[in-house]
Amino acid sequence: EIVLTQSPGTLSLSPGERATLSCRASQSVSSSFLAWYQQKPGQAPRLLIYGASSRATGIPDRFSGSGSGTDFTLTISRLEPEDFAVYYCQHYGSSFFTFGGGTKVEIK
Amino acid sequence: EVQLVESGGGLVKPGGSLRLSCAASGFTFSSYSMNWVRQAPGKGLEWVSSISSSSSYIYYADSVKGRFTISRDNANNSLYLQMNSLRAEDTAVYYCARYITIFGVVDIWGHGTMVTVSS
Repeated sequence: EIVLTQSPGTLSLSPGERATLSCRASQSVSSSFLAWYQQKPGQAPRLLIYGASSRATGIPDRFSGSGSGTDFTLTISRLEPEDFAVYYCQHYGSSFFTFGGGTKVEIK
Repeated sequence: EVQLVESGGGLVKPGGSLRLSCAASGFTFSSYSMNWVRQAPGKGLEWVSSISSSSSYIYYADSVKGRFTISRDNANNSLYLQMNSLRAEDTAVYYCARYITIFGVVDIWGHGTMVTVSS
């Protein structure tokens, strides 16, 4: 069973700053099936990145994903006020979905 | 507009049952695999169950296997989750979600329905 560990648990940053979120898998996974989601309070998650680095439809280019093997990163180049939220990584393998525990990006 | 609308949540006693429904619209429901994903209060996301477009393939998380049953009615664009032997730890918002098999991602989420298991 693959476990996804996200770090840090909370990231305190100011608007305009760069955010770097980490997702580490307990074993090597296919980057084709690594995704990132954003969730705001009281809302359903929203798909940001799929295939580790491809932006979903309508996602601004300040969001980027990278990584391979066991280490993946979501980068927000310049935080906008609407980007303060919780971010989850997710892997799909053997017909099962696994989510990381989430990283909260909060306003400093 | 592509939309998923869940219903059927509520308060139920431990050991009780509940059936969640999800009405899909705005897309060809019968062409997509579907998921249920849940989120306990203040916690992260947990995948619950998946069903393929024709119901040929069904999968469950270990935490619900043997207690929950996923099903769908393509003629009525509906997804279901029958939940039996409910436990306090099943308390969560349950999301109906469409997933894209070739990418292994959920691209459309419902707004969720709250299930509370408490005596």
